[in-house]
Amino acid sequence: SAVISQKPSRDICQRGTSLTIQCQVDSQVTMMFWYRQQPGQSLTLIATANQGSEATYESGFVIDKFPISRPNLTFSTLTVSNMSPEDSSIYLCSVGRGSYEQYFGPGTRLTVT
Amino acid sequence: GQQLNQSPQSMFIQEGEDVSMNCTSSSIFNTWLWYKQDPGEGPVLLIALYKAGELTSNGRLTAQFGITRKDSFLNISASIPSDVGIYFCAGQGGATNKLIFGTGTLLAVQP
Repeated sequence: SAVISQKPSRDICQRGTSLTIQCQVDSQVTMMFWYRQQPGQSLTLIATANQGSEATYESGFVIDKFPISRPNLTFSTLTVSNMSPEDSSIYLCSVGRGSYEQYFGPGTRLTVT
Repeated sequence: GQQLNQSPQSMFIQEGEDVSMNCTSSSIFNTWLWYKQDPGEGPVLLIALYKAGELTSNGRLTAQFGITRKDSFLNISASIPSDVGIYFCAGQGGATNKLIFGTGTLLAVQP
């Protein structure tokens, strides 16, 4: 597995503002992913963060709302833009290892007021 | 998005009891994964399954990849209080690296 850290661990933000979440891995990885977990719900994939190219977004998620950067093989950021209370969730990054296994960071707990 | 159906939705058991949960899909998967999520933490990978019919153990946990490739099962033997958490299955299919997650099973263990 890999050691994955996320910053911030939690935040409370006002509507209309933006928050950038960082994901750092202790070793180079090819695949990095961003998920959203709404309160009491399962995990939903937001996008695959591609190194050196634009992220691949899932249906229902757009780049203007969730811009993603992946400048190298150990780091990625997810920005939640123009936030509303509906964006209150846990945001998780994961890395791919081996045959489709994914390992998760501790998550960022976002509350939008 | 698409989700896998997990059952039961929640379980409340006594310490020492065995636990069984399952995950079903209308689609075929090539890989099944089982995760556990503790409160305030990210999911932790418990077991990975790669072949139909495969049975894999990790301590008191045993998981099986269903023969039809549309389901998977997780058993926990002799449950202990630290087994408390939410268990998620996840499936991977086709040529994609993406995982689809189950709806989760909440496990509560009473000492």
